Amino acid sequence: DAKTTQPPSMDCAEGRAANLPCNHSTISGNEYVYWYRQIHSQGPQYIIHGLKNNETNEMASLIITEDRKSSTLILPHATLRDTAVYYCIVSYGSGNTGKLIFGQGTTLQVKP
Amino acid sequence: GAVVSQHPSWVICKSGTSVKIECRSLDFQATTMFWYRQFPKQSLMLMATSNEGSKATYEQGVEKDKFLINHASLTLSTLTVTSAHPEDSSFYICSARNQPNTEAFFGQGTRLTVV
Repeated sequence: DAKTTQPPSMDCAEGRAANLPCNHSTISGNEYVYWYRQIHSQGPQYIIHGLKNNETNEMASLIITEDRKSSTLILPHATLRDTAVYYCIVSYGSGNTGKLIFGQGTTLQVKP
Repeated sequence: GAVVSQHPSWVICKSGTSVKIECRSLDFQATTMFWYRQFPKQSLMLMATSNEGSKATYEQGVEKDKFLINHASLTLSTLTVTSAHPEDSSFYICSARNQPNTEAFFGQGTRLTVV
């Protein structure tokens, strides 16, 4: 079972920041937080991942709380092409130990 | 990001036949590959994890004799759906990773329709 909880859906206005929350209250000390998104009928796309510190790349920022029990993915300037299902996953290790289990995710609808 | 390619993108087969889906990592060595399937309006469900040169580890409830996984090289894994039936119709997606605790990259998926 997925170890994360996300709201089923969110709306965001085009050009505004989209803040997607994720709860992972049972995360263990060495588990990473990964974010992926899936646009309809495509394979998931990697966005970002982190362990303890906040992370930023060209796509998004990842803010992890100090107790690591929750995180927020920030898309700074959402566009219509960012409409997708966003998945937050926690995982650690290699091979079968480091497998990525998908929950239900958050469907983000970016509106004009 | 790294590229993972699946082939074919879609396939239609007759009930009772077998279908092979290929997953290739084009620009990196994939020590671990994951296979998922996804039914309409549902999330991805992990089927199995394979390490290069080792037998795949199947998730509970996934029939290993029906879904044969081979990961014979660091750039190729195959999933064979044996004796396919209409209920096996689904979107199958592979993912590949080079090192632990790094991003895994996903293929574009294969839509299987069994008639």
